[in-house]
Amino acid sequence: DTEVTQTPKHLVMGMTNKKSLKCEQHMGHRAMYWYKQKAKKPPELMFVYSYEKLSINESVPSRFSPECPNSSLLNLHLHALQPEDSALYLCASSQPGSYEQYFGPGTRLTVT
Amino acid sequence: GEDVEQSLFLSVREGDSSVINCTYTDSSSTYLYWYKQEPGAGLQLLTYIFSNMDMKQDQRLTVLLNKKDKHLSLRIADTQTGDSAIYFCAESSGGYNKLIFGAGTRLAVHP
Repeated sequence: DTEVTQTPKHLVMGMTNKKSLKCEQHMGHRAMYWYKQKAKKPPELMFVYSYEKLSINESVPSRFSPECPNSSLLNLHLHALQPEDSALYLCASSQPGSYEQYFGPGTRLTVT
Repeated sequence: GEDVEQSLFLSVREGDSSVINCTYTDSSSTYLYWYKQEPGAGLQLLTYIFSNMDMKQDQRLTVLLNKKDKHLSLRIADTQTGDSAIYFCAESSGGYNKLIFGAGTRLAVHP
């Protein structure tokens, strides 16, 4: 099983809202990632968690707040977003030291 | 710095072979990858190659790596309509497997 699940599939939120994206995997992977993909662009790394600790933050604005409550779950908390934050948010996981990174289907976020 | 470049579009006839090309700049890249993305979907890992290899074959897919020229290619044999998608080349290096993607090549397969 190489499945990474993400909820919700679609999300529309206003600039004053607070919402969360959820990512889950049950492959025993201990590294999890958030990527942002704008339309017609490649994915860009936002955050990396390794063994539930934040290892990489690619200078992401503080209105994006990641959380890794356990080894299977990764959240991305959103607050006071801007319309330019509208994108496909992709979660991925891998085993630390492994080079196979598996992606979820993404959450398509629209900020109005 | 790190940079990955791909041609943006490729059109092939069903049954022909497709060859998608990629160049990268980071000589310390450890692994090089090919991902497939269908419309509205996430990324599917197709195959990857370690930087000390020059070829890898997996069913209809053949990856060629020219490390001297920093050139990677993906050949899809007997291309089918289901192969229509965007194909991303990516490189990684470092302990956290940070992926740097190319812009993606849109493959269109026509009858």
